[in-house]
Amino acid sequence: AQSVTQLGSHVSVSEGALVLLRCNYSSSVPPYLFWYVQYPNQGLQLLLKYTSAATLVKGINGFEAEFKKSETSFHLTKPSAHMSDAAEYFCAVSPQGGSEKLVFGKGTKLTVNP
Amino acid sequence: KAGVTQTPRYLIKTRGQQVTLSCSPISGHRSVSWYQQTPGQGLQFLFEYFSETQRNKGNFPGRFSGRQFSNSRSEMNVSTLELGDSALYLCASSHGNRGTDTQYFGPGTRLTVL
Repeated sequence: AQSVTQLGSHVSVSEGALVLLRCNYSSSVPPYLFWYVQYPNQGLQLLLKYTSAATLVKGINGFEAEFKKSETSFHLTKPSAHMSDAAEYFCAVSPQGGSEKLVFGKGTKLTVNP
Repeated sequence: KAGVTQTPRYLIKTRGQQVTLSCSPISGHRSVSWYQQTPGQGLQFLFEYFSETQRNKGNFPGRFSGRQFSNSRSEMNVSTLELGDSALYLCASSHGNRGTDTQYFGPGTRLTVL
């Protein structure tokens, strides 16, 4: 069975600072991994996904994530935070060659301070 | 291309009633998945429909059911509502290629049970 752990339910950074949101996964089979963002009163928007190609994945809005099998991690980073990045971020996993079922972490709420 | 639409956006029901939520996927998508989002449990997978057949199911009681029509539109029904069913219900659509495709989420239906 797959599971996802997001370390830190709340992260606060200053505008222009590095954003680092942590995600560790557990999967009995090689996984697909995803990061989604949710703005207030909206659905989820895909930021990026790892599907066993390059381990460094670049997404939208300047975000990227690196798949590290040895650490079972898929941390999300952005070099310089913008005020518009304030939102809740979810890491998710699904089994490769498996299904549309996504298992989500509990989410990390990012606050960006001016 | 129109995104995933969900109707209604907001619903207020009382305990014991039943409710039907609707999801229209992106044109050409054959898979529709449903998720429940609550502050306590986070995002949880309910079920997935592909070509009018339930392909995956999460761990929810039988009060939660769904169906998909030939045009890929999907409905989910919750019978005998309980206070704990208050949540944001999200649907997502994709081409349904066993997890390799991006899932696109709708804005959700906010259900409040009084």
